[in-house]
Amino acid sequence: DVKVTQSSRYLVKRTGEKVFLECVQDMDHENMFWYRQDPGLGLRLIYFSYDVKMKEKGDIPEGYSVSREKKERFSLILESASTNQTSMYLCASSLDGSRKTQYFGPGTRLLVL
Amino acid sequence: QQQVKQSPQSLIVQKGGISIINCAYENTAFDYFPWYQQFPGKGPALLIAIRPDVSEKKEGRFTISFNKSAKQFSLHIMDSQPGDSATYFCAASTGETSGSRLTFGEGTQLTVNP
Repeated sequence: DVKVTQSSRYLVKRTGEKVFLECVQDMDHENMFWYRQDPGLGLRLIYFSYDVKMKEKGDIPEGYSVSREKKERFSLILESASTNQTSMYLCASSLDGSRKTQYFGPGTRLLVL
Repeated sequence: QQQVKQSPQSLIVQKGGISIINCAYENTAFDYFPWYQQFPGKGPALLIAIRPDVSEKKEGRFTISFNKSAKQFSLHIMDSQPGDSATYFCAASTGETSGSRLTFGEGTQLTVNP
């Protein structure tokens, strides 16, 4: 069964802290994605990776970085958390190729105080 | 900018009714249009998808209608049930072979009253 897991369901951090969100998939997928979900704005792509150590910016990369050292693991890093980064963060993975289904994790709800 | 516009933002339907969610896109290079369904506390999951070479695709009570000339597509849920209450996202992607990134609409929160 397809599985994408995220390290935390809920996180509370303080402004200025460095925050790590981790995502692991067990499907040997080439592609991994980080989105943030905000009411009325849908899912917005932060970064994605199509191979180990490869990354590409999505639509809203500012304030974020990513790391993909192993195929199954994709980390999202908030270098200095700010209150406007309070959001739901969703990780997804997919096989390579066009029109491939993205499989999502359950999400991490991050609150930055 | 939002390349896929979705409406309405929220929708309330009675059990047995038809739910209709609409999406419009701008990028004519899009050639794959999936819909994702998200229940509270869960990540989105693929519900149904269509390619632009057909005008309609039906899977059970769920139908996608596609109008290429108008650059619009819609999701119809027939005989809506309380278990269909969820947030629905339309999406679109181009045919590139690497990355397969999706552009999502804003989402529609559907409530089906018993």
